[in-house]
Amino acid sequence: DGGITQSPKYLFRKEGQNVTLSCEQNLNHDAMYWYRQDPGQGLRLIYYSQIVNDFQKGDIAEGYSVSREKKESFPLTVTSAQKNPTAFYLCASSIGLAVPPGNEQFFGPGTRLTVL
Amino acid sequence: GQQLNQSPQSMFIQEGEDVSMNCTSSSIFNTWLWYKQDPGEGPVLLIALYKAGELTSNGRLTAQFGITRKDSFLNISASIPSDVGIYFCALNSGGSNYKLTFGKGTLLTVNP
Repeated sequence: DGGITQSPKYLFRKEGQNVTLSCEQNLNHDAMYWYRQDPGQGLRLIYYSQIVNDFQKGDIAEGYSVSREKKESFPLTVTSAQKNPTAFYLCASSIGLAVPPGNEQFFGPGTRLTVL
Repeated sequence: GQQLNQSPQSMFIQEGEDVSMNCTSSSIFNTWLWYKQDPGEGPVLLIALYKAGELTSNGRLTAQFGITRKDSFLNISASIPSDVGIYFCALNSGGSNYKLTFGKGTLLTVNP
């Protein structure tokens, strides 16, 4: 099946620890994205990547880091510098940027991170 | 900056009723997307709209891209319990602009 997988579904960490969230896609999409979702809020963009070995900051990149070494993978690291890391994290992908109507983004199932 | 208002924030309806929700923006956009998010899951794309005035259906769902390109509505007819979830509108200005701007969502509860 083609799709986007995120693991784990639930993640618990102690305050001050870095944690890496996995995102893998087999849709052959060029673009990938990370969003953060808090209760009652829309999705806020953390980082995005147009192509392998390239990524850009989104609206709330502080305290996060990413890498894009493979087309299929776009892991997100939540660092200890992120002041309020507890949230639901969503990964998405799209065919490519600037390819209307290909801007539709498809989402993974999400990872709920709780920092204790 | 761009403002996107989605309303209502929440709705409580009886099974079988029709539902309508809408989004309005302060700027013109080229693409309107409607997503549904089940509890604890990622959003799923329901309908994509690309032209002003476009009316698109997907089963019991109907969505329209406003003529002014600043608004869109989503209708659900004959609601069923599995329609429960959060519905988001999302906008893209097109061209080389990658970003989607998301509304804050409409939480739909359907009483059987």
